[in-house]
Amino acid sequence: AQSVTQLGSHVSVSEGALVLLRCNYSSSVPPYLFWYVQYPNQGLQLLLKYTSAATLVKGINGFEAEFKKSETSFHLTKPSAHMSDAAEYFCAVSRTSGTYKYIFGTGTRLKVLA
Amino acid sequence: NAGVTQTPKFQVLKTGQSMTLQCAQDMNHEYMSWYRQDPGMGLRLIHYSVGAGITDQGEVPNGYNVSRSTTEDFPLRLLSAAPSQTSVYFCASSPRDRVSNTGELFFGEGSRLTVL
Repeated sequence: AQSVTQLGSHVSVSEGALVLLRCNYSSSVPPYLFWYVQYPNQGLQLLLKYTSAATLVKGINGFEAEFKKSETSFHLTKPSAHMSDAAEYFCAVSRTSGTYKYIFGTGTRLKVLA
Repeated sequence: NAGVTQTPKFQVLKTGQSMTLQCAQDMNHEYMSWYRQDPGMGLRLIHYSVGAGITDQGEVPNGYNVSRSTTEDFPLRLLSAAPSQTSVYFCASSPRDRVSNTGELFFGEGSRLTVL
């Protein structure tokens, strides 16, 4: 069975500081991994995805994530936080042995301090 | 550009009442799904469909029914509402990649349901 663990339900960073949101996965098959962002009172939108090509994936708004098989991780980073990055971020995994289910983590709420 | 449309946006029910949350997409996506979002629990998959006439259960299907008679519509039915079903519900669709299942999920804006 697949699962996703996001470490830290709340993360605070200062504006201009590095953003690091952690995601670890478990999967019996090579996973496809995603990061989504949710702004208040909105649905989720895709930030980036890993589908077994390059292990370093660049997404929108300056975010990137690196797939590390040895660590079963897919952490999200951004070099310099902006106030507009304040949102909730979800890691997700898909592709289960022929079925088609997305499984989401519990989310990390990012707060950016002025 | 409508994308994924959910109705209603807000609903209050009494315990035992039934209702249907509507979801429609105009992108000709094969894959559609329903999630519920609860504080501290992320999004949990209720039901999903890989095409008209095909549905399957997700992680938390009890108390919910779905059907997929057309590509565009994927309604979620609450048969007898319970307070535990108070949640925010999201419908999502995807242009399913038959080979890799890597289609991006497109989400509706959510339906906030309160069961008293």
